[in-house]
Amino acid sequence: NAGVTQTPKFQVLKTGQSMTLQCAQDMNHEYMSWYRQDPGMGLRLIHYSVGAGITDQGEVPNGYNVSRSTTEDFPLRLLSAAPSQTSVYFCASSTGGDNSPLHFGNGTRLTVT
Amino acid sequence: AQTVTQSQPEMSVQEAETVTLSCTYDTSENNYYLFWYKQPPSRQMILVIRQEAYKQQNATENRFSVNFQKAAKSFSLKISDSQLGDTAMYFCAFRHTSGTYKYIFGTGTRLKVLA
Repeated sequence: NAGVTQTPKFQVLKTGQSMTLQCAQDMNHEYMSWYRQDPGMGLRLIHYSVGAGITDQGEVPNGYNVSRSTTEDFPLRLLSAAPSQTSVYFCASSTGGDNSPLHFGNGTRLTVT
Repeated sequence: AQTVTQSQPEMSVQEAETVTLSCTYDTSENNYYLFWYKQPPSRQMILVIRQEAYKQQNATENRFSVNFQKAAKSFSLKISDSQLGDTAMYFCAFRHTSGTYKYIFGTGTRLKVLA
């Protein structure tokens, strides 16, 4: 099983550029989410989805869009990149069952100059 | 809103010794789930242990165990017989039992195991 696959692993953007971080899981998980990790801040939830066609905002949604057209895919879009979005981004999924843990992708390191 | 606090940004421990990482949380719910995740330098996030709030018995996984104090809203992780491979960031996480399924993370504790 591939688990949760994130692409790309590294990305450098200029301020104002847009891009999409891809996330796919092959475990038939209902729940998918995006986090950003910054030093001293832990992991902060950006957006999440409890199933295809359903998305909701997390703690830090500004500047990011998501959609969930299929169970497998949950892309994260940066509409106009800013230096404050320099971070490591993680996609994670779970079955949504009570004590089910999150399964994480390997992360994307994004630098915005 | 639920919050998770890890008050120890960095810790170190000698190889083969025992170390305890602290985590407190704030919630008005009675039923919830708690997790500890490990992030080694490879950046991969690895589940270490989980605890259901309705279970009084503390969870254990080999050298890892928790001290869950529900009334105090405390969920500490004890690592016994520390190994060099335990060097990592450790994150505590809280999860609702219903509705949104959101997982809330603490800021992490960087643990260094010394040879």
